[in-house]
Amino acid sequence: DAMVIQNPRYQVTQFGKPVTLSCSQTLNHNVMYWYQQKSSQAPKLLFHYYDKDFNNEADTPDNFQSRRPNTSFCFLDIRSPGLGDAAMYLCATSRDFFKDTQYFGPGTRLTVL
Amino acid sequence: DAKTTQPNSMESNEEEPVHLPCNHSTISGTDYIHWYRQLPSQGPEYVIHGLTSNVNNRMASLAIAEDRKSSTLILHRATLRDAAVYYCILRVAGGTSYGKLTFGQGTILTVHP
Repeated sequence: DAMVIQNPRYQVTQFGKPVTLSCSQTLNHNVMYWYQQKSSQAPKLLFHYYDKDFNNEADTPDNFQSRRPNTSFCFLDIRSPGLGDAAMYLCATSRDFFKDTQYFGPGTRLTVL
Repeated sequence: DAKTTQPNSMESNEEEPVHLPCNHSTISGTDYIHWYRQLPSQGPEYVIHGLTSNVNNRMASLAIAEDRKSSTLILHRATLRDAAVYYCILRVAGGTSYGKLTFGQGTILTVHP
């Protein structure tokens, strides 16, 4: 059974049109992460939530926002997508932060036209 | 930040052992060595981790050098399903990268039938 679910798996949006990606988890983990993975590159952490505490990476553009309304769900909002934001977006969870295993979802592939 | 160095690619034949090396010469005494892999079109998945001693689990073994400046992920009998990008990651115990998974470029493993 899927433990980290991402919807949709494929998302197409237009340049400048806001888009929201969603992630849900059945693990009841405290920490949820969003990563961006561009073609042929390694995943790059955008931000994470420890419970309700939001932690943004220093180099994450302001165009990217996140919401976590409850333990199970986390959303990635891209306010004005540019062509350079086309990528796979990966959600992950972990029970705690430091050395616990991270469980990844299958990702959402975002295309910007 | 502590960094890892891995070969860009490696090849193996099915049912043969595979040794994937990783250098981490700047590792600190409390940094954990983690390995994740990413199968095609999927999110990364945890493989194994260790601190000082060699570790075994159902997926693989991790051999850590005595000085901890290098480690080797061992797949005892490669299958076609093991074809993936393998990431060696240091989870650091302090500083701005505390607890994070910072993915490098990884090693692309090709398994031949």
